[in-house]
Amino acid sequence: AQSVTQLDSHVSVSEGTPVLLRCNYSSSYSPSLFWYVQHPNKGLQLLLKYTSAATLVKGINGFEAEFKKSETSFHLTKPSAHMSDAAEYFCVVSDLSGNTGKLIFGQGTTLQVKP
Amino acid sequence: DVKVTQSSRYLVKRTGEKVFLECVQDMDHENMFWYRQDPGLGLRLIYFSYDVKMKEKGDIPEGYSVSREKKERFSLILESASTNQTSMYLCASSYSAGTDFYEQYFGPGTRLTVT
Repeated sequence: AQSVTQLDSHVSVSEGTPVLLRCNYSSSYSPSLFWYVQHPNKGLQLLLKYTSAATLVKGINGFEAEFKKSETSFHLTKPSAHMSDAAEYFCVVSDLSGNTGKLIFGQGTTLQVKP
Repeated sequence: DVKVTQSSRYLVKRTGEKVFLECVQDMDHENMFWYRQDPGLGLRLIYFSYDVKMKEKGDIPEGYSVSREKKERFSLILESASTNQTSMYLCASSYSAGTDFYEQYFGPGTRLTVT
């Protein structure tokens, strides 16, 4: 069975400093992995996705993530945080138990950016 | 531009009322999904549909039903609303092609309050 664990429920950084949001996954297959962002009172927006091509994936707004199979991790990073990055972030893995297009969501990490 | 719309952003209903939440996508996607989002619990899948008139239960289908009469529209129905169904409801859709997994596109959400 597939699962995903976000290791921090809340991360606080200062504006201009690096961001690291950690995600570990469990999958018996080669998974598809995603990061979504949700700003307050908004729907979810796709930041980036990994689908077995390059292990370093670049997304929107300067975010990137690296797929590390040996560590079963897919951590999200950004070199320099901006105030507008404050939001909730979800790490997501595809559910490969059936060909249904279902996704499995982590519990979310709230990113706070301090001025 | 990709678009998923939901009929209401905010909704207040009384206990026992029948509630309809509507979702429309304009991307000709095969798959559509309904989630509820609660603090600390992340996103939980209620129902999904991979074709017109087809539906599958998700992780928490109790107290809900769905309808998909047209490809672009997926409705969530609360037959008799209860206070524990107060939540944010998110609709999503995705493309399907063989065994490839594609990202889901989300609507803005409906915040439902049942009093």
